[in-house]
Amino acid sequence: QKEVEQDPGPLSVPEGAIVSLNCTYSNSAFQYFMWYRQYSRKGPELLMYTYSSGNKEDGRFTAQVDKSSKYISLFIRDSQPSDSATYLCAPRDSSYKLIFGSGTRLLVRP
Amino acid sequence: DAGVTQSPTHLIKTRGQQVTLRCSPKSGHDTVSWYQQALGQGPQFIFQYYEEEERQRGNFPDRFSGHQFPNYSSELNVNALLLGDSALYLCASSTWTGRVTEAFFGQGTRLTVV
Repeated sequence: QKEVEQDPGPLSVPEGAIVSLNCTYSNSAFQYFMWYRQYSRKGPELLMYTYSSGNKEDGRFTAQVDKSSKYISLFIRDSQPSDSATYLCAPRDSSYKLIFGSGTRLLVRP
Repeated sequence: DAGVTQSPTHLIKTRGQQVTLRCSPKSGHDTVSWYQQALGQGPQFIFQYYEEEERQRGNFPDRFSGHQFPNYSSELNVNALLLGDSALYLCASSTWTGRVTEAFFGQGTRLTVV
């Protein structure tokens, strides 16, 4: 079993839709939960992160962590075609390495 | 402010050869991590360098080695290349800010082994 599981998609939605991207994980030692966005042929860029359980909002993006169920979510409101990319969840424990999910490919149709 | 820069951007090597990839961290960053990203997969941690020492290593064979220089730039070396080493190699730099360490990635080196 992988430490981090993520549905690869692709997920196709119309412009303006609310998008929900999710990951599950198995390691209860994870404390930090990052979300990265990766455009084709580019390196990942950090969108946002949360520490432990709870919600965090940044503009159109909301990250949610439920440590009791080991479930991580990223919500995108009013999705735009420019949001089309692969979204990677990456939890981390007290060590320095990020454990990435396989990524979910999102396509926002104009 | 230049971000993380990697060179070369693309590389084609033959099985059995050796390769060196280079990374310059973001200004002000002193820590460099290397990741391997196979097609359709998320990045996998190879190792991290801090103060010119390997601080942590992922589940990669000894064919993968690295180095960090006094100016914090880093190299990733892979010996005896296998077809399965074909991937996007990503460098990420970071520094401790007193809170969570945010890693910034370069755009990667695409390595093809034929």
